[in-house]
Amino acid sequence: GAVVSQHPSRVICKSGTSVKIECRSLDFQATTMFWYRQFPKKSLMLMATSNEGSKATYEQGVEKDKFLINHASLTLSTLTVTSAHPEDSSFYICSADTLAGQRDTQYFGPGTRLTVL
Amino acid sequence: AQTVTQSQPEMSVQEAETVTLSCTYDTSESDYYLFWYKQPPSRQMILVIRQEAYKQQNATENRFSVNFQKAAKSFSLKISDSQLGDAAMYFCASYTGANSKLTFGKGITLSVRP
Repeated sequence: GAVVSQHPSRVICKSGTSVKIECRSLDFQATTMFWYRQFPKKSLMLMATSNEGSKATYEQGVEKDKFLINHASLTLSTLTVTSAHPEDSSFYICSADTLAGQRDTQYFGPGTRLTVL
Repeated sequence: AQTVTQSQPEMSVQEAETVTLSCTYDTSESDYYLFWYKQPPSRQMILVIRQEAYKQQNATENRFSVNFQKAAKSFSLKISDSQLGDAAMYFCASYTGANSKLTFGKGITLSVRP
């Protein structure tokens, strides 16, 4: 149980375009979903936290107009990278905690590799 | 503020041997949780072990166990009978209800020699 999916797994786009990444909890309802960014061989950097039906809370230094987060339901959150540029190229990971379980434990999606040309 | 420190960037272990990965943390909260996550080359984050700070007993999961020293704020992970599939990056993390988010260490890359 506690499976989180992400779509797409890889995306390549041109500079200036927008890209949407979906995060779904497949077999559970999530209270909160989290979005991370990870550079090669580095740790995860939390970008934002979102709750269903509420505005996302962004970490310091993360541009909320650049990284739009929509949390439409208890099983779906989306991250849209607007007007992407090469410096946005990275590995993006989402996670979720379970409504019915331990709030401290997060279950992670498999990640999305974004390459901006 | 919470901090998690993993000072060793890399470690290597012989297959079937035991290895210990170090982690120290700092928090002003009395109620917190500690984790070890594994990230293999596929980059899928996998929960290895979870420790509740109020429990004195060290958590174990099959070949994985922790040495939780609360006074020293130390939380090391021991992997027994290392297998080739254990090769991965390992992250130590902490969570408190006060800020409701995970704080990760920098991670350690573990290689397993056949």
